[in-house]
Amino acid sequence: DTEVTQTPKHLVMGMTNKKSLKCEQHMGHRAMYWYKQKAKKPPELMFVYSLEERVENNSVPSRFSPECPNSSHLFLHLHTLQPEDSALYLCASSQTGVSYQPQHFGDGTRLSIL
Amino acid sequence: GQQVMQIPQYQHVQEGEDFTTYCNSSTTLSNIQWYKQRPGGHPVFLIQLVKSGEVKKQKRLTFQFGEAKKNSSLHITATQTTDVGTYFCAGSGNTPLVFGKGTRLSVIA
Repeated sequence: DTEVTQTPKHLVMGMTNKKSLKCEQHMGHRAMYWYKQKAKKPPELMFVYSLEERVENNSVPSRFSPECPNSSHLFLHLHTLQPEDSALYLCASSQTGVSYQPQHFGDGTRLSIL
Repeated sequence: GQQVMQIPQYQHVQEGEDFTTYCNSSTTLSNIQWYKQRPGGHPVFLIQLVKSGEVKKQKRLTFQFGEAKKNSSLHITATQTTDVGTYFCAGSGNTPLVFGKGTRLSVIA
């Protein structure tokens, strides 16, 4: 069991759909992350939020739009995705946004784009 | 940018054999972390090394951080089927955590 909860666990959507991924943690962590992981590859950092402010954006296409309304919740809004965006999307949190803090991952959302 | 290389990519061992994965960075790291991801699962934090030359043990797992803080290793003694999964190192210097490509461990009973 993980203390970082992600919903939904699976998502199938067409390229013209709009959907959102949700992540929440109640460990009092002040930093949250979105990662993308393709099969047999390492997690790739997409966004970092520290104290609800985005501090990192790794050249992610604008069809991915993150939102962090408070330190416990993180969203990833998706629109007009491409088939190559099919992947496991992982949310993680850490005590602070300092890079040496261990990260706690959620189970992920497995996304398939038709 | 910062790169973290990890070898081998795959390792198949008989149960009871030892296993080692190696991690090397192009730049000096402030710390290195190790994660394990079971098939179909998510990465789970194992340990963090911060000091030059640091060695830490967790039961059958031994983690080392190089003197120059550019390399690290994870050694598993007498592997068990429960050790199956992908082991990632992840390092940071002045940048957010960068993951190595991982070593996929298979254990044959």
